[in-house]
Amino acid sequence: EIVMTQSPATLSVSPGERATLSCRASQSISSNLAWYQDKPGQAPRLLIYDASTRATGVPARFSGSGSGTEFTLTISSLQSEDFAVYYCQQYNNWPYTFGQGTKLEIK
Amino acid sequence: EVQLVESGGGLVQPGGSLRLSCAASGFTFRTYWMSWVRQAPGKGLEWVANIKQDGGEKYYVDSVKGRFTISRDNVKNSLYLQMNGLRVEDTAVYYCTRGRNCFDPWGQGTLVTVS
Repeated sequence: EIVMTQSPATLSVSPGERATLSCRASQSISSNLAWYQDKPGQAPRLLIYDASTRATGVPARFSGSGSGTEFTLTISSLQSEDFAVYYCQQYNNWPYTFGQGTKLEIK
Repeated sequence: EVQLVESGGGLVQPGGSLRLSCAASGFTFRTYWMSWVRQAPGKGLEWVANIKQDGGEKYYVDSVKGRFTISRDNVKNSLYLQMNGLRVEDTAVYYCTRGRNCFDPWGQGTLVTVS
């Protein structure tokens, strides 16, 4: 099973600033990686797939990069609605696995 | 608008059974892989199972193999998860979601409590 490790566990950033979230795979997953946003009381939302492709309706301030084992989700100029938990997920090998999440909180 | 609405969750004793349902609308259900993903209280996301468009392929996470069965009805536009031999560690919100590899959109989830 591929283990996905996200860092940091919690990230404190001020509105308007940039946030950089990391995700590492225990073995190469090519570009088979997705990012999700999870807010309390809401359904998780797909943000990025294939490591760098924004899902429909996702604002351009969200961008993904990386391949192989190292991946990054960048949110430029944080808005109030962006404070949430973010998960990465690999779909290169069964079983598909998620990282443990990064909580993005207001500084 | 694409909608996924789960139902069937509840409180069950260890060893018991539940059947979750997911009603899909707003898209051509029969043309998509569908999946179940769960989230234990205060924990992260865990993919549980998925099923091909015609039901001919099904995959499960090891922890539920032999206990859970995913199925679908393409006439009723519905997805199901039959859960038998439930364990305390199966306690979670179960989400119905569209897709094979990555998941979009997700339903609001249904809570299963095993206690």
